[in-house]
Amino acid sequence: DAGVTQSPTHLIKTRGQQVTLRCSPKSGHDTVSWYQQALGQGPQFIFQYYEEEERQRGNFPDRFSGHQFPNYSSELNVNALLLGDSALYLCASSLVGVKETQYFGPGTRLLVL
Amino acid sequence: GDSVTQMEGPVTLSEEAFLTINCTYTATGYPSLFWYVQYPGEGLQLLLKATKADDKGSNKGFEATYRKETTSFHLEKGSVQVSDSAVYFCALRGGGSYIPTFGRGTSLIVHP
Repeated sequence: DAGVTQSPTHLIKTRGQQVTLRCSPKSGHDTVSWYQQALGQGPQFIFQYYEEEERQRGNFPDRFSGHQFPNYSSELNVNALLLGDSALYLCASSLVGVKETQYFGPGTRLLVL
Repeated sequence: GDSVTQMEGPVTLSEEAFLTINCTYTATGYPSLFWYVQYPGEGLQLLLKATKADDKGSNKGFEATYRKETTSFHLEKGSVQVSDSAVYFCALRGGGSYIPTFGRGTSLIVHP
């Protein structure tokens, strides 16, 4: 049973560029959440997708957007990259209505130069 | 809003030493409390949880007790191993929310 997978593992971009990160949830899960983890910090919630719609959103600007596909996989898009967007981006999947079962992927390390 | 404060690291111990990582929280209502562990190069894994006051969560020799009177959820282990070296995150989730709030993490380094 595959867990949460994310791609790519590492990414280097320059300021102003756009990036797309991908996540496949754990088998049987229908909800995907995205987090940003800056170096030396805890994860910060970006948004959550369920039934292909954004259900909750944290305190992140509109440059951060997402999508969920019918197979429950998800993408995180970040436009007009800033140096401060450099972080580990974590995807977590869960089953709606079951609060405790949030499983995290290994993350995508984004470096903005 | 909700917040979690953890002791700063790194915490450096010798193998078989006793571990305590302090965590205090601020929240309205009755949150659920969690400890997550992040091994190098990996995502977060749920280590243990407690959902109401005086509950004790435990897993893999780690324990933490939900103390409402002191708003604390300190992580303890009686005898650490080198393989316990990781970053530990304390987190809470408010009663009506599916979204956890994390602390900044505490790095644990265990030497042989």
